[in-house]
Amino acid sequence: DIQMTQSPSSLSASVGDRVTITCRASQGITNYLLWFQQKPGKAPKSLIYSASSLQSGVPSRFSGSGSGTYFTLTISSLQPEDFATYYCQQYESYPLTFGGGTKVEIE
Amino acid sequence: EVQLLESGGDLVQPGGSLRLSCAASGFTFSNHAMTWVRQAPGKGLEWVSTIGTSDDTYYTESVKGRFSMSRDNSKSTLYLQLNGLRAEDTAVYFCARSSVVDGRGYLDYWGQGTLVTVSS
Repeated sequence: DIQMTQSPSSLSASVGDRVTITCRASQGITNYLLWFQQKPGKAPKSLIYSASSLQSGVPSRFSGSGSGTYFTLTISSLQPEDFATYYCQQYESYPLTFGGGTKVEIE
Repeated sequence: EVQLLESGGDLVQPGGSLRLSCAASGFTFSNHAMTWVRQAPGKGLEWVSTIGTSDDTYYTESVKGRFSMSRDNSKSTLYLQLNGLRAEDTAVYFCARSSVVDGRGYLDYWGQGTLVTVSS
């Protein structure tokens, strides 16, 4: 199975800050990497697919990069509605696997 | 607008059975693979199963032989039959739609989930 390791597991930031979350795969996954956001009691929301493609309707302050085993999600200017938990997930092969999540909290 | 609405979650005793449903709307259901993902209380996410457009199915190892995924394209509904339930199956179960890009399907829309609690 491909292991996905996210860091940090949590971070505190202020509105307007630039935030970067990293995700590492235990083996190469090309660019088959999804980032999504989850808020308590809400449906997860997909943000970035193919490592760097923005899902329709997602604000342009979200961006993704990377390929192979190292990936990043960047929020260029954190907004109040962005405080949530973020996950990466590989879909290169079964079983689909997820990172452990990064909780973004208000500083 | 794509909508996915899960139902069927309940409190069930160990060894019991349950059938989850996911009603889809806003897209041509038969054209998409569908996936179940679960999240135990306070934990991360775990892929459970995927069904393709040709009814090919894939399961995580821990549920093989106990869970069965199916779809009814005429009703735009996805199902997950859960048998032999264990305490460790307690989780919110999400259904999600897959869309294919570059030869691989990614989860683009998710439902809000339904809670399965396995306890005596």
